[in-house]
Amino acid sequence: GENVEQHPSTLSVQEGDSAVIKCTYSDSASNYFPWYKQELGKRPQLIIDIRSNVGEKKDQRIAVTLNKTAKHFSLHITETQPEDSAVYFCAASWSGGSYIPTFGRGTSLIVHP
Amino acid sequence: DADVTQTPRNRITKTGKRIMLECSQTKGHDRMYWYRQDPGLGLRLIYYSFDVKDINKGEISDGYSVSRQAQAKFSLSLESAIPNQTALYFCATAETLVNEQFFGPGTRLTVL
Repeated sequence: GENVEQHPSTLSVQEGDSAVIKCTYSDSASNYFPWYKQELGKRPQLIIDIRSNVGEKKDQRIAVTLNKTAKHFSLHITETQPEDSAVYFCAASWSGGSYIPTFGRGTSLIVHP
Repeated sequence: DADVTQTPRNRITKTGKRIMLECSQTKGHDRMYWYRQDPGLGLRLIYYSFDVKDINKGEISDGYSVSRQAQAKFSLSLESAIPNQTALYFCATAETLVNEQFFGPGTRLTVL
């Protein structure tokens, strides 16, 4: 089955800095890579995703890059703000009929004002 | 707004008790999932169901069972709770062939 490794487990930055979270996956059949954000005491919510036919996707201050050859993908947050503080989860899956994502262990991002 | 809800939100129980966690959704999604979240371990899949007559085990199904009573309802049972089942439990839904998952608010379960 799929195995997703996520690093770092904790990331502390100053407001305005950039943050990068990296994930690797093992199954070359995986073609869909979502990122979820979980604020303290809240439920995980999808913030951005990427499919294997695309190398990069941006949405305002967040972007995701994918390297299929190396089997890794990354979340980039620019100009971090205190409200970006949360746990971020990456996941990998085949996007077809049996959609069963495998999640990474999560990264706790702390943005200091 | 269409949503995913879970009851109870918090539960404290004792070792050996039977516990049922319930999940309901008004999103009209066919697919429902139960996850367990432990600090540092991420979201681990317990069971999933792609329609009312479909039930599948996830990576950590031992000690758990589920029931899909209707398209909108998916319950998780712990037949005889043990302390290492203390965790935050999330239900999630997804529309067939649309990959975004929508999570419920979670149930915090403590087994003493």
